[in-house]
Amino acid sequence: NAGVTQTPKFQVLKTGQSMTLQCAQDMNHNSMYWYRQDPGMGLRLIYYSASEGTTDKGEVPNGYNVSRLNKREFSLRLESAAPSQTSVYFCASGARYNQPQHFGDGTRLSIL
Amino acid sequence: QQQVKQSPQSLIVQKGGISIINCAYENTAFDYFPWYQQFPGKGPALLIAIRPDVSEKKEGRFTISFNKSAKQFSLHIMDSQPGDSATYFCAASSSAYKYIFGTGTRLKVLA
Repeated sequence: NAGVTQTPKFQVLKTGQSMTLQCAQDMNHNSMYWYRQDPGMGLRLIYYSASEGTTDKGEVPNGYNVSRLNKREFSLRLESAAPSQTSVYFCASGARYNQPQHFGDGTRLSIL
Repeated sequence: QQQVKQSPQSLIVQKGGISIINCAYENTAFDYFPWYQQFPGKGPALLIAIRPDVSEKKEGRFTISFNKSAKQFSLHIMDSQPGDSATYFCAASSSAYKYIFGTGTRLKVLA
């Protein structure tokens, strides 16, 4: 039972490049989330999907787009990467908002 | 109103001691209060959670105390062990605001 799987684990980009972070869960959860984690700032919600076919902005959505491909998969895209997007990105899934969230092990992204 | 304020930022405790981490919130719409534990290089993992209809929940050495009137909740780790050294996050969630996380507490338990 893999839980939440994120790929890639590490990535280095140049400013202006684009990339997609992939996330898949095998727990049949309805809700999926993307967070970024920066030192001293905790986890901040970028986008979430309450159910298949819906997506909504979180606290820090600027510069990102998401796609809920199906119930299992939720991807995060950086269209034109900026150094301010250097962070650790976590994907999570949960049955609903007032239930535990299960996190992947993160993608460590550096933008030069 | 969407913030969850967590303190202290870091904490050093002797082995066998009690670790206490506090969180405060403003929005009364929050109705689920989890604590997560994160080890370096890993994602956060649920440690224990409480709902506002109870004032305390205990699981092993970990206890959440919840004060609804003060809008505060805290994590107590009894008999702290070096293996408890990690970063701890409180969170609060509601249907409107989903999960709001505190800024984290880095706990170090000295052997």
